[in-house]
Amino acid sequence: KQEVTQIPAALSVPEGENLVLNCSFTDSAIYNLQWFRQDPGKGLTSLLLIQSSQREQTSGRLNASLDKSSGRSTLYIAASQPGDSATYLCAVVNYGQNFVFGPGTRLSVLP
Amino acid sequence: GAGVSQSPSNKVTEKGKDVELRCDPISGHTALYWYRQRLGQGLEFLIYFQGNSAPDKSGLPSDRFSAERTGESVSTLTIQRTQQEDSAVYLCASSLTLGPPRETQYFGPGTRLLVL
Repeated sequence: KQEVTQIPAALSVPEGENLVLNCSFTDSAIYNLQWFRQDPGKGLTSLLLIQSSQREQTSGRLNASLDKSSGRSTLYIAASQPGDSATYLCAVVNYGQNFVFGPGTRLSVLP
Repeated sequence: GAGVSQSPSNKVTEKGKDVELRCDPISGHTALYWYRQRLGQGLEFLIYFQGNSAPDKSGLPSDRFSAERTGESVSTLTIQRTQQEDSAVYLCASSLTLGPPRETQYFGPGTRLLVL
């Protein structure tokens, strides 16, 4: 059974810092891995999707990497801003299109 | 452009009543997904549709839950004989295709269900 964990559970940083969020999964037979952002009172926002054959994806200040063999993904956020404050969720998708979400990392970027 | 919409945004019901949650995906999106998030827990995948078909219903928590989709558009998630444990935010998402290259999911705002 696939299990997804995220470290840290919560993170508070001053504005401008670069930071890394970690995601680990137990079963490397994945279809893709996705990072989402969750804001209170709003729906999930899909940030990055990495296919199982890819190593990384970039979008603006975000970069996500995938090491399938070791069961790890990282989300790198450059030059953090207060608007980046949210909960970041990692989801592993298997070939049956079943999603397994991690518990999330709650990020606070202080001005 | 119009995104994924869900209704109602909030629903309070009494234990034992049936509820119906609606999702309107982005027009033209063939894949539709339902999730739920209970308080203090991670997101839980429930079911997905490819067109009007749901190939795998094993993610539904119990036989009180059912979902359907018609016209490759709107989907409804029905919970019969609601229990307090059903209280959660129910999220719907849609994607252009089920597989690559356009499987990025777009999420609706969710329906907050409270069972008293």
